[in-house]
Amino acid sequence: DGGITQSPKYLFRKEGQNVTLSCEQNLNHDAMYWYRQDPGQGLRLIYYSQIVNDFQKGDIAEGYSVSREKKESFPLTVTSAQKNPTAFYLCASSGQHSGNTIYFGEGSWLTVV
Amino acid sequence: KQEVTQIPAALSVPEGENLVLNCSFTDSAIYNLQWFRQDPGKGLTSLLLIQSSQREQTSGRLNASLDKSSGRSTLYIAASQPGDSATYLCAVLGGSARQLTFGSGTQLTVLP
Repeated sequence: DGGITQSPKYLFRKEGQNVTLSCEQNLNHDAMYWYRQDPGQGLRLIYYSQIVNDFQKGDIAEGYSVSREKKESFPLTVTSAQKNPTAFYLCASSGQHSGNTIYFGEGSWLTVV
Repeated sequence: KQEVTQIPAALSVPEGENLVLNCSFTDSAIYNLQWFRQDPGKGLTSLLLIQSSQREQTSGRLNASLDKSSGRSTLYIAASQPGDSATYLCAVLGGSARQLTFGSGTQLTVLP
């Protein structure tokens, strides 16, 4: 089935550790995105990539890093510099061949312990 | 900077009622507007996408309208059901960087 796969679903991180969230899509979409969602709030853009080997900072990029070495993959690293990383992280993708409709993965819950 | 507002933040209605959710945005230079549904602890499911050149889109009991000039969109849900209970978010795609900006959502509860 075509779609976006995020892993892990749940992740616990100790303070001072870096963690990487995986996002893979088989929709042949050029654009991929990472959003953060805090309880009762909307989504805020962390990073986005319109094409392989290129990515741009979103509104809240500090403390995060990404890479886009393959079209299908857009991993997000939450670094120890992110002061309040506990949140729900959502990966998304879109493509012109699908009318720029944006599709989301099921999300990853990150908790700092 | 684009800002998207959704009103009301929460809505509770009895089953069978027709209802309207509102979305407004500050910059009318958009490519499209999309409505999503989010169940608790889950990702977002796309409901309807309206291109900037379109006025409305329909899917089953859902109808979304777009008035770009006034910066408004509405999502109309006919004959609501308890299974419609979820948070509904709207998002606009715009700007030179083609960024998607989200509203904070309307939490809908349909009472049986």
